[in-house]
Amino acid sequence: GQQVQQSPASLVLQEGENAELQCNFSSTATQLQWFYQSPGGSLVSLLSNPSGTKHTGRLTSTTVTKERRSSLHISSSQTTDSGTYLCASYGSSGNKLIFGIGTLLSVKP
Amino acid sequence: EAAVTQSPRNKVTVTGGNVTLSCRQTNSHNYMYWYRQDTGHGLRLIHYSYGAGNLQIGDVPDGYKATRTTQEDFFLLLELASPSQTSLYFCASSEVAGYERLFFGHGTKLSVL
Repeated sequence: GQQVQQSPASLVLQEGENAELQCNFSSTATQLQWFYQSPGGSLVSLLSNPSGTKHTGRLTSTTVTKERRSSLHISSSQTTDSGTYLCASYGSSGNKLIFGIGTLLSVKP
Repeated sequence: EAAVTQSPRNKVTVTGGNVTLSCRQTNSHNYMYWYRQDTGHGLRLIHYSYGAGNLQIGDVPDGYKATRTTQEDFFLLLELASPSQTSLYFCASSEVAGYERLFFGHGTKLSVL
C-alpha cells in the first residue's frame, strides 16, 4: 500500500540555522501536504504542494512528483519551530491521506 | 480559520468499557476524519465521512464504530475498549478530500487500563 517515509528522524539545530526535511512517497501523489505538530500535540497544516515549489514565510517546499519526493526547507530557524514535521500524501485511492512518522526538530537558543 | 473541537481531551477507561469520542466542526466542511497516533506508526486513519449519514472505512477500523449525525458532528465509538486502543485520537475536517487543507482538533488522549 501507499507509504510515506521521512528523513531524518530527528534534527537538532542552533537558532538561525536552516533545516532541510525530506519526504518520499511510494506512489504518485495527487496531493502532498506538510504539517507541524507542536510539542503539546496540536496539529496544523503548513502547506500543500503536489508539485513544484511553494513558499510561505520562512518555509519552502519542493515536490518532484515523478521522483516521488518532497522537501521542506525552513530558513533561519527559531526556537518556536521546534516540534514534529509530518508529511502526508493522498494515494491512488484518492480520499485518504497517508502520513509519515515525522521529523522531530529541536532548535536550540 | 476552521474550528474543530474534540471532547473529552483526556479519557481513562477499563478494558471492556464503552467510550464515545466527540468531534464538532463549525465550518460546514464536507469531510471529517478520525485518526489515531501512536509512536512508531504516525497518524493512521480509522474512519471518515463525506456527509451526514455517510461512513467510510479507513485503514485501521477494527474495534471502532463511527457515526456522522450532522454536517458538524462526527463520533467515534469504542464498544469494548482494549488496551491496544490506548492512543492519541485526532479528528479532522476538510472541505473536499484530496486537495484541500486538513484542519485538526486538539486531540483526545485515551487510556484503556
